[in-house]
Amino acid sequence: NAGVMQNPRHLVRRRGQEARLRCSPVKGHSHVYWYRQLPEEGLKFMVYLQKENIIDESGMPKERFSAEFPKEGPSILRIQQVVRGDSAAYFCASSPGQESYNEQFFGPGTRLTVL
Amino acid sequence: EDQVTQSPEALRLQEGESSSLNCSYTVSGLRGLFWYRQDPGKGPEFLFTLYSAGEEKEKERLKATLTKKESFLHITAPKPEDSATYLCALLIYNQGGKLIFGQGTELSVKP
Repeated sequence: NAGVMQNPRHLVRRRGQEARLRCSPVKGHSHVYWYRQLPEEGLKFMVYLQKENIIDESGMPKERFSAEFPKEGPSILRIQQVVRGDSAAYFCASSPGQESYNEQFFGPGTRLTVL
Repeated sequence: EDQVTQSPEALRLQEGESSSLNCSYTVSGLRGLFWYRQDPGKGPEFLFTLYSAGEEKEKERLKATLTKKESFLHITAPKPEDSATYLCALLIYNQGGKLIFGQGTELSVKP
């Protein structure tokens, strides 16, 4: 009965490289959320996805960031041309369905370090 | 503007010394209030969801309560293993499924 899985757990990139973060939701969950936790700051919402649809990307930076949740496979958060300010912990959460107010269960996070 | 504030920022207790953590909020329409626990280097762990004023939920040494303006997380006779950061998060009407998190209270329980 696996929970939310994220990989890699730690990722080091140099400025200008691309970062790809993966999230496999709890089995049976069709809603995925990405949050970012900057050093000394709280968790901030980035994007909410259902299978093959972006529902809410109001927290996503306008440039360099994109997210997808394909019909098959994990959800991907992609950061192009990373900068030092992207260094943070990125958490994925999943829930069975928004309408029933279901709780969001979080993964262990990916810690991105940009050199 | 929807806001959530947690206090205190940090709390040090002796083992067995009961206390409460506060989460106060001003929102346009609250759908639910969530409490999570986060250990260093890990993801938030779900504790409770509260949906309406007057609701209470308990789990071991923890008890969460909700009013129209705030929520309390009461910790009774804490143990060192209760040391963690406790996060409060809001789910708001007409804002989809995103959670709005407070800054957290860092709890340290000394033996």
